[in-house]
Amino acid sequence: DAKTTQPPSMDCAEGRAANLPCNHSTISGNEYVYWYRQIHSQGPQYIIHGLKNNETNEMASLIITEDRKSSTLILPHATLRDTAVYYCIVGYNTDKLIFGTGTRLQVFP
Amino acid sequence: ETGVTQTPRHLVMGMTNKKSLKCEQHLGHNAMYWYKQSAKKPLELMFVYNFKEQTENNSVPSRFSPECPNSSHLFLHLHTLQPEDSALYLCASSPGTGQTDGYTFGSGTRLTVV
Repeated sequence: DAKTTQPPSMDCAEGRAANLPCNHSTISGNEYVYWYRQIHSQGPQYIIHGLKNNETNEMASLIITEDRKSSTLILPHATLRDTAVYYCIVGYNTDKLIFGTGTRLQVFP
Repeated sequence: ETGVTQTPRHLVMGMTNKKSLKCEQHLGHNAMYWYKQSAKKPLELMFVYNFKEQTENNSVPSRFSPECPNSSHLFLHLHTLQPEDSALYLCASSPGTGQTDGYTFGSGTRLTVV
């Protein structure tokens, strides 16, 4: 079973920041937080991952709370092409990432 | 293209047919994975291979038979499937199990069993 909880759906206006929350209250000390997204009928795309510190790359930022029980993925300027299902996953490494149901993000004009 | 190529993109097969799905990566990765995604369900991990050795079989029925001849190629052989096996089958690769870098997924094979 997935060890994360995400809202089933969210909306965001184009050009605004999209903040996607994830709860992982049972995360273990060595487990990473991974984010992927899946655009309709395509394979999931890796976005970002982190352990304790906040992370940023060209796609997004990942904010992890100090107690590591929750995190937020931030898309700073959402576009229509960011409409997708976003998955938050925790795991020790990439041995076997277990996907949950994710958050369906709809970006509207 | 993500660097992971799956063929065919679409496949329709009868319940008595035998077919194979192919996955190829030239990313220098050492681990490869098969996932199944049924309609409106989460991705289900099926098999994990690390350095050509199978390290995970997630209670997959024997009508699905994986093969990993080398670290760049992964096959999923299909025989006597059922209509409920219709799904999107996704292949992924990663630098290796035990490492923390993310997966790279292919675009998937959309399988319909009639």
